[in-house]
Amino acid sequence: QKEVEQNSGPLSVPEGAIASLNCTYSDRGSQSFFWYRQYSGKSPELIMSIYSNGDKEDGRFTAQLNKASQYVSLLIRDSQPSDSATYLCAVNLFYGQNFVFGPGTRLSVLP
Amino acid sequence: DGGITQSPKYLFRKEGQNVTLSCEQNLNHDAMYWYRQDPGQGLRLIYYSQIVNDFQKGDIAEGYSVSREKKESFPLTVTSAQKNPTAFYLCASTPGLNTGELFFGEGSRLTVL
Repeated sequence: QKEVEQNSGPLSVPEGAIASLNCTYSDRGSQSFFWYRQYSGKSPELIMSIYSNGDKEDGRFTAQLNKASQYVSLLIRDSQPSDSATYLCAVNLFYGQNFVFGPGTRLSVLP
Repeated sequence: DGGITQSPKYLFRKEGQNVTLSCEQNLNHDAMYWYRQDPGQGLRLIYYSQIVNDFQKGDIAEGYSVSREKKESFPLTVTSAQKNPTAFYLCASTPGLNTGELFFGEGSRLTVL
């Protein structure tokens, strides 16, 4: 059973702080990793994708992947109230296996 | 602009009725997917299709049916056999099967009265 786990939260951080979201996965063969942001009542939108060990930065967002420890994280710098949403971690294998989603972490950025 | 269009956004159904959710994409993607989302839970795969006239069951296909007669279209029918159909339904696509990133439509919220 392939599993992706996330803390459900809510994770509360003050405006301007760094929010750290974590995700662990069970299948060592996983190759592709994605972070989606989902506002209440809306569909998920892609924030970051990462395929190699290390850090990947895009504006205020940094994804970190550690395949040996089987975790992927998302850091949000200078958090804004508009970042308040549920963040979904998704994982898949290159050889045709389907995407597996975690339950999501609800982030609340307090003004 | 390219994207995925789902309709209707909101749908109410009486018990015992079948309903069909529409999904149309103009991204020229080969693969399309249907997911179900329940409150506080991750997305669960219902059906997926790699190519026209071919589709496969996902993890929770019971009570659902799909068709893929055109590359652009992948409608989902929620049948009366689905015991707990109230949920948020998301259609998505990728360029090829499970390659690249999932692009999502805006979703359809089904409520059974």
